[in-house]
Amino acid sequence: DVKVTQSSRYLVKRTGEKVFLECVQDMDHENMFWYRQDPGLGLRLIYFSYDVKMKEKGDIPEGYSVSREKKERFSLILESASTNQTSMYLCASSSSREQYFGPGTRLTVT
Amino acid sequence: DQQVKQNSPSLSVQEGRISILNCDYTNSMFDYFLWYKKYPAEGPTFLISISSIKDKNEDGRFTVFLNKSAKHLSLHIVPSQPGDSAVYFCAASALTNNAGNMLTFGGGTRLMVKP
Repeated sequence: DVKVTQSSRYLVKRTGEKVFLECVQDMDHENMFWYRQDPGLGLRLIYFSYDVKMKEKGDIPEGYSVSREKKERFSLILESASTNQTSMYLCASSSSREQYFGPGTRLTVT
Repeated sequence: DQQVKQNSPSLSVQEGRISILNCDYTNSMFDYFLWYKKYPAEGPTFLISISSIKDKNEDGRFTVFLNKSAKHLSLHIVPSQPGDSAVYFCAASALTNNAGNMLTFGGGTRLMVKP
């Protein structure tokens, strides 16, 4: 069974703080993804990585950066959190078209 | 410009009846389609998929139909059960976009199955 874990289920941060969201997968998948989910907008891709140290921007990369130093771990960084980054953040991994998701992190920026 | 659209934000169905969730797409390069189910406070879980070379795929109570000429797919759940109440996301991928590894998601439809 594929397992994708995320470091926190709920997080509350202040405006301007640096925020780290971590994701770990245990299936040796090449691809890892970070999405945010907002009501009515579905899942929007922030960044994805197809190999260690490789990354590509998704549809909404502004205000975010990522890091993939090890194959199993993919981190999302909010350099200076803003209130419009309050959202559900979902990590996923895949080796083919089907993606497996973690439980999500509900981030609130106040 | 949304390439994958789910025009019904919500759907309410009686237990035991059929649920039909719809999805439209605009990109003719999409060749693989997936449905995900999401409960509150959980990540989406894969439900069923279909390749563009098929027009139907069935897995137990779940059937996905693809109409390529209309750029439309639908998910049928028969019979619907209260445990099916969740948000359903339609997703699509194209081989031309990072070897098909990228998914484009619709906005989701919230299904409520009433006992």
